[in-house]
Order: sequence, then structure tokens, then C-alpha cells
Amino acid sequence: DAGVIQSPRHEVTEMGQEVTLRCKPISGHDYLFWYRQTMMRGLELLIYFNNNVPIDDSGMPEDRFSAKMPNASFSTLKIQPSEPRDSAVYFCASSFALSGNTIYFGEGSWLTVV
Amino acid sequence: AQSVTQLDSQVPVFEEAPVELRCNYSSSVSVYLFWYVQYPNQGLQLLLKYLSGSTLVKGINGFEAEFNKSQTSFHLRKPSVHISDTAEYFCAAGGNNAGGTSYGKLTFGQGTILTVHP
Repeated sequence: DAGVIQSPRHEVTEMGQEVTLRCKPISGHDYLFWYRQTMMRGLELLIYFNNNVPIDDSGMPEDRFSAKMPNASFSTLKIQPSEPRDSAVYFCASSFALSGNTIYFGEGSWLTVV
Repeated sequence: AQSVTQLDSQVPVFEEAPVELRCNYSSSVSVYLFWYVQYPNQGLQLLLKYLSGSTLVKGINGFEAEFNKSQTSFHLRKPSVHISDTAEYFCAAGGNNAGGTSYGKLTFGQGTILTVHP
């Protein structure tokens, strides 16, 4: 079975540009998560969805960040405008509640804002 | 609020030696517990999980962990490590109370970097 698929794997962009990260969760999973990982702050939960509905977005750092899940097989995390401090690895993950909430991670999107 | 504490940020060990990575959790409700491993430049992979039943859980690559409810701990162990076990390890906890505020999401510890020396 395909795992969680993220794109792009690597992105380098200039400050002020819009960045869109994409995620395809594992088919049948009803939870989707966006995490950010940095050396300084470790692994942070930004937002998560249940059945395409945002449940908790308290981890979203500021209004420049937004996330959508238009259907069960696709989600985006958008940063507009991007800043150098947004440089991080962004992980998408998904889970199926009835399997004990085991979360499966994608390979990550490595973002560098210069 | 749920919290997960990994007591060691770095653990150096020699090849073929035993290792224990410590994890304590704090929760007012019953929890599911997990250990994930992250190799350099990769995503997190599930090592093992405790949902219910036997308190000793065996995972991939020879790792095991023991759930200790009285000590609110879930330490990860391996009797003999290999160079290839060098990675960062994350402990995580999630609420198992459907409908509870923490249901569905996991709280992660800060990670423990295991370095295995030849």
C-alpha cells in the first residue's frame, strides 16, 4: 500500500513568496495531521483534521499559515508570505481512529526560505 | 494537558551493548503509547505501540518497550544495538477516550538521539 505522499520533497523559495505543500493521506484514514520539525523547537503539531474538518489549529504559528482539506485524499498547507524563520521540515501524517490512532508519516517537505 | 518527557536528549552507546531510552508521560486519562524512529533526512517510522493488553510490547528491529502505569513510563529497550540503530527516537502518547479532547492526536516528546559507536 502507498504511504502518505507529500510534495514537493524539497523547496527553496525567496522571502515573501507563497509556498504550498501538498499531501495525500493513506486511503481510508480519517485523521490528517500537519507537523513542523526544526532543530530549535522539535516536532510541533500545526493542525489536524478529522473527516476533512479542522479539529485543532492552535499550533498554526500565525495568519500567514493556512491549511485546507477539500476531500479525503488531499490536503494543502500554505504559507503566504513566507519568511526565513519558516524554514523547516513539514510532515504530513494520517491515521485511522479505529486502529488505535497509529499515525503514519510522510517523508516530509524540506522548505528553505532565503 | 498531556505531556511526554524523554529524559535523555542524547544517548551514546557502543555496538552490541544494551540500551534503554526513557520516556514518561503525564495524562489524566488512559493513553495509547508509541515509539517512533527517525533516520537522518527521513520521516518518522513506527517502532512499536501499546494500545492495551500485555504491558511488554515488541516492535521492529529487536526493540521492545514496557508500559508501567504506576510509574507512567514507557521505556524503550534493546539488548544489543547495531550501528544501524543510530537515529533519533521519539516517544508519543495519545488519548484513547473517544470524544475526549486529546483523542486522535499524539503528543510527542523532544526526542532522544541514539548514537551507536563501533
